[in-house]
Amino acid sequence: DAGVTQSPTHLIKTRGQQVTLRCSPKSGHDTVSWYQQALGQGPQFIFQYYEEEERQRGNFPDRFSGHQFPNYSSELNVNALLLGDSALYLCASSTRQASTDTQYFGPGTRLTVL
Amino acid sequence: GDSVTQMEGPVTLSEEAFLTINCTYTATGYPSLFWYVQYPGEGLQLLLKATKADDKGSNKGFEATYRKETTSFHLEKGSVQVSDSAVYFCALSPRGFQKLVFGTGTRLLVSP
Repeated sequence: DAGVTQSPTHLIKTRGQQVTLRCSPKSGHDTVSWYQQALGQGPQFIFQYYEEEERQRGNFPDRFSGHQFPNYSSELNVNALLLGDSALYLCASSTRQASTDTQYFGPGTRLTVL
Repeated sequence: GDSVTQMEGPVTLSEEAFLTINCTYTATGYPSLFWYVQYPGEGLQLLLKATKADDKGSNKGFEATYRKETTSFHLEKGSVQVSDSAVYFCALSPRGFQKLVFGTGTRLLVSP
């Protein structure tokens, strides 16, 4: 049973560029959430996708956008990169079918903005 | 808003020592509570959870009890191992929202 997968593992970009990160949820899961984890901090909720729509959003600017595909996989896009966007980006999947709110995390994508 | 406060680390212990990592929360309603663990260079792994007051979550020798009266969810283990060295995150999920609010994490270092 494949868990949550993310690609790429690492990325290096320069300020002002745009980046796309990808996530495939755990088998049987239909909901994908994205988190940003700055060095030495706890993860911060960016947004959540279900049925190809953004359902919830944290306190992040609209430079951060996303998409969910019919196969439940998801992308996180960040435009006009800032140095402060350097972080580990975590994807988590869950299901709304079961009466549980447990989320399972992927290994993350380490983004460095120079 | 909802928030989680964890004790600051690092927590440094010798192997077989008793572990407690304190966690308190602020939330409206009755959230679900979680402990996640992060090993170096990896993502987060669910360690245990509790969904209502007085529930005890347990896994791999770790335990935590959902205390509504003190709004706490302290993590305990009777005898730690070197392999338990990692960063531990306490988190809550507001009821019905399926999103997580994390504490800042507590680094645990266990020496032989």
